[in-house]
Amino acid sequence: QVQLVQSGAEVKKPGASVKVSCKASGYTFTSYYMHWVRQAPGQGLEWMGRINPSGGSTDYAQNFQGRVTMTRDTSTSTVYMELSSLRSEDTAVYYCARQIYFDYWGQGTLVTVSS
Amino acid sequence: EIVLTQSPGTLSLSPGERATLSCRASQSVSSYLAWYQQKPGQAPRLLIYGASSRATGIPDRFSGSGSGTDFTLTISRLEPEDFAVYYCQQYGSSPQTFGQGTRLEIK
Repeated sequence: QVQLVQSGAEVKKPGASVKVSCKASGYTFTSYYMHWVRQAPGQGLEWMGRINPSGGSTDYAQNFQGRVTMTRDTSTSTVYMELSSLRSEDTAVYYCARQIYFDYWGQGTLVTVSS
Repeated sequence: EIVLTQSPGTLSLSPGERATLSCRASQSVSSYLAWYQQKPGQAPRLLIYGASSRATGIPDRFSGSGSGTDFTLTISRLEPEDFAVYYCQQYGSSPQTFGQGTRLEIK
């Protein structure tokens, strides 16, 4: 069965970076784009960008341009999302989700940015 | 970017009743619209894609309709587990965007 398993919660100071992983299983990793979506506490969903696991090409939302980097490791079927220059407003649950309409989601990773 | 506006913000109904949720796009998204259900502490769950296709394992009391700019999610007879927040999402144009959500609560 398809599973997306994310790394654990993180606490970071303002200005730091965070790297969240998402390990896929149960399907051909290179056949589906992977997206990242975040949700601030009590708020709605915000699309951050996507990566093509096959060739590694990326497409980022303008709100995150210059601060986000998405990469993948095909040997372990894992995608990564790194967000830099963290500020308190980046406190959120970060999700990976498969393909253009998000049929499978990771369990979410809480990133807390606090001094 | 395309703005999705969901209405109502909150819908109060009783189990067994019919729920109708609306999503309006600021410009046409053709049929590239999905609906998700989210319960507290959980990741969203895909209900509908392509405006009207039910995702795997979704009960047939959930149905989606519409195209262009106006879309509807209908839950024919509410079950206790249906009370949650519902989001629409368009994926026809980058950046993909979500509506602000409709909270479906027990009356």
